[in-house]
Amino acid sequence: GAVVSQHPSWVICKSGTSVKIECRSLDFQATTMFWYRQFPKQSLMLMATSNEGSKATYEQGVEKDKFLINHASLTLSTLTVTSAHPEDSSFYICSARDPAAAHEQYFGPGTRLTVT
Amino acid sequence: AQKITQTQPGMFVQEKEAVTLDCTYDTSDQSYGLFWYKQPSSGEMIFLIYQGSYDEQNATEGRYSLNFQKARKSANLVISASQLGDSAMYFCAMREGPTNAGKSTFGDGTTLTVKP
Repeated sequence: GAVVSQHPSWVICKSGTSVKIECRSLDFQATTMFWYRQFPKQSLMLMATSNEGSKATYEQGVEKDKFLINHASLTLSTLTVTSAHPEDSSFYICSARDPAAAHEQYFGPGTRLTVT
Repeated sequence: AQKITQTQPGMFVQEKEAVTLDCTYDTSDQSYGLFWYKQPSSGEMIFLIYQGSYDEQNATEGRYSLNFQKARKSANLVISASQLGDSAMYFCAMREGPTNAGKSTFGDGTTLTVKP
């Protein structure tokens, strides 16, 4: 099946710094990627939909200036958490749709962000 | 109103027995897709099974089957012959719209523990 990778798998950063998370589709071209945030023992909350070559669509309540999304190619989307604070500590998961697939959404392995 | 409802925060099942995880959904769309995912402690989201709104037969994938009752808007997951490795968090999700380009909404999840 299709594979989506994320890098890094975990990161620790200091408060006030910025962190970039990469999401790559390894064997298919993804025109659309999604970014989710998950707190421990909770559901996945969609943050934004990333469209190749255009601006991301953010969900209500998600600060677009804080969570910068760039989808510059058909295989790469990045999420940058700017001026990170401890409350941004979370598990960030991306997913991608293969246009050739009927219905599946392929998830990356996730990135655990800890802000100290 | 919540679009996906999983009423069982936690479930226990004896090894080798069957277990049903409940999921109800709310949508006014005629075309939608229902998914179940497994999330072990490692955090990766593992796709288990898919049911399209127009599929007349219940979906099955190995030990997983989806009990789809459209009129009741329920999509329960049945795991037969439970194994210790089935212990994980399980999420029901719905994608609204006819294509796989739409965003998915997730339930709060059910933590399944398989007892030896």
